[in-house]
Amino acid sequence: EAQVTQNPRYLITVTGKKLTVTCSQNMNHEYMSWYRQDPGLGLRQIYYSMNVEVTDKGDVPEGYKVSRKEKRNFPLILESPSPNQTSLYFCASSPGTSGATDTQYFGPGTRLTVL
Amino acid sequence: AQSVAQPEDQVNVAEGNPLTVKCTYSVSGNPYLFWYVQYPNRGLQFLLKYITGDNLVKGSYGFEAEFNKSQTSFHLKKPSALVSDSALYFCAVRDMRNFNKFYFGSGTKLNVKP
Repeated sequence: EAQVTQNPRYLITVTGKKLTVTCSQNMNHEYMSWYRQDPGLGLRQIYYSMNVEVTDKGDVPEGYKVSRKEKRNFPLILESPSPNQTSLYFCASSPGTSGATDTQYFGPGTRLTVL
Repeated sequence: AQSVAQPEDQVNVAEGNPLTVKCTYSVSGNPYLFWYVQYPNRGLQFLLKYITGDNLVKGSYGFEAEFNKSQTSFHLKKPSALVSDSALYFCAVRDMRNFNKFYFGSGTKLNVKP
């Protein structure tokens, strides 16, 4: 089954404790992206990747890191989480970003709470 | 700046009645516009998109959207609502200066009552 998977689905952590949220897709998509969803703000793009070893900042990259060493994986790293990073996080992938191929497929989400 | 606005936090409609979920956009040039739906505890699912061509776009689950350039709107519509349509709906626009960036609206919760 074609899908985007995220782990963990739920995470409660404490301020300053490094964490990684994994994202994997099995559709051989070139483009992957991370979003955070907050009430009243919708989804905001954190980082995106156009292909292996090619990443760039979205609108809200502060406090986050990403890497794209393999085409299928795009982990989101919080080196020193803070309470304002408490949010619902979504990973998405797309065959590309050129016209007809720009529909994004979303993972199930990771609910992160930073105490 | 590229952006989308969804002016209604919530839309209530009775089952069987037509529904409209509003979206307006602000972009440079011709926009690429999208509608996604989010069911409880699920990721977003693609409904439809407008790239070019016919202003009326048909999508999944009987939904359609009308692109109106003069009003900079892309409202989502369905002729007859179902209770199962109850969900959170997001409008999104692609950044036409950087195709890798997308902007989402704040979301509209659709409640369809039996």
